Amino acid sequence: GQQVMQIPQYQHVQEGEDFTTYCNSSTTLSNIQWYKQRPGGHPVFLIQLVKSGEVKKQKRLTFQFGEAKKNSSLHITATQTTDVGTYFCAGPLSNTGNQFYFGTGTSLTVIP
Amino acid sequence: DAGVTQSPTHLIKTRGQQVTLRCSPKSGHDTVSWYQQALGQGPQFIFQYYEEEERQRGNFPDRFSGHQFPNYSSELNVNALLLGDSALYLCASSLAGGPNTEAFFGQGTRLTVV
Repeated sequence: GQQVMQIPQYQHVQEGEDFTTYCNSSTTLSNIQWYKQRPGGHPVFLIQLVKSGEVKKQKRLTFQFGEAKKNSSLHITATQTTDVGTYFCAGPLSNTGNQFYFGTGTSLTVIP
Repeated sequence: DAGVTQSPTHLIKTRGQQVTLRCSPKSGHDTVSWYQQALGQGPQFIFQYYEEEERQRGNFPDRFSGHQFPNYSSELNVNALLLGDSALYLCASSLAGGPNTEAFFGQGTRLTVV
């Protein structure tokens, strides 16, 4: 079955350092979504990527979708303590509907 | 405009009991998906409801069932609870359509089975 893996599982960075999490799917994805979940909270939608090779930016966050549409990355420049949380990628179960396989997540800790 | 609301927020049940969790979708949304999130794991898709019918189902046993009402709200029922059912249960609402649709999550129901 479809699997969505993320690395690393955990990342500790000093405030101001950069952070990157990578997402890899065993199958080609029609799109990929990224979510952030703060400790004790619920997943919050960040962005969706649809096109092969697509790059989108949100302030200090840069999202990329691979050319083969099987991998993606999230890069945060100059991390802040507000970036703390677990970042999940999610790919659709099928090409219809909007049910998603969530990745294993990367937990980010930012040390002040 | 209320977002996705779930009730209750926390619940403790005994092994073998049955539980019902409730979800009201974001205003204007007609599709509800349920996810189970074990501690330290990503959300796992349980099933999705649209037009009061189960549209797709993940790899969960028949002990997990659901319902969607005409007002688009939804319930998740779990029978014969096991200790391993302890998790955060998340409801996500969205608009029907293709896969390019943002999902809005509720705060979740933390279920503990003892």
